[in-house]
Amino acid sequence: EPEVTQTPSHQVTQMGQEVILRCVPISNHLYFYWYRQILGQKVEFLVSFYNNEISEKSEIFDDQFSVERPDGSNFTLKIRSTKLEDSAMYFCASRAIRDDPLNTEAFFGQGTRLTVV
Amino acid sequence: AQSVTQLDSHVSVSEGTPVLLRCNYSSSYSPSLFWYVQHPNKGLQLLLKYTSAATLVKGINGFEAEFKKSETSFHLTKPSAHMSDAAEYFCVVSEGYSTLTFGKGTMLLVSP
Repeated sequence: EPEVTQTPSHQVTQMGQEVILRCVPISNHLYFYWYRQILGQKVEFLVSFYNNEISEKSEIFDDQFSVERPDGSNFTLKIRSTKLEDSAMYFCASRAIRDDPLNTEAFFGQGTRLTVV
Repeated sequence: AQSVTQLDSHVSVSEGTPVLLRCNYSSSYSPSLFWYVQHPNKGLQLLLKYTSAATLVKGINGFEAEFKKSETSFHLTKPSAHMSDAAEYFCVVSEGYSTLTFGKGTMLLVSP
């Protein structure tokens, strides 16, 4: 069964450093997402991406964040200067496009646990 | 705007007894509704989805959910809990492709 893969599974970084989280969506999917889950809190939407541009973004997704689809398979989330409060589990997801959007679910990766120290 | 309310942060059941996890949603349009499950240290797995074809939806591992438009609810049920069902469950609403909105999650605890 096709799946979304994320690397690395864990990353520890120092405050102020840049990190890039990587995702390989399912190959025929066209809509991509990043979500995060701070420990003990709800899953929060960060950004959605379609047709090589951001479709929608949340208030969390400020100038410190950026997304890119550098080639035909990868989808990355970059945090330019990490803060302690960026520590969270980051989930990538992808979704197919069909005539009926009600009939398409998002497939999530296993997540990258980011720890900022 | 869409939103989801999961009414219980924790639900405790005994193995073999029924499970009910409650979810209410708010949506301006006809939404898609999903239940995802997250086992400890694992990713998010789709349990089931409502896509307007039928109001009673069957998912994996014996779970079901019923869409009730009049009550704006999409409660998740299972007739008989198993120890392996212990996990966190998320109700999710989507009004198209651009976002999926998660509820706060319900932790299901199953005791022997």
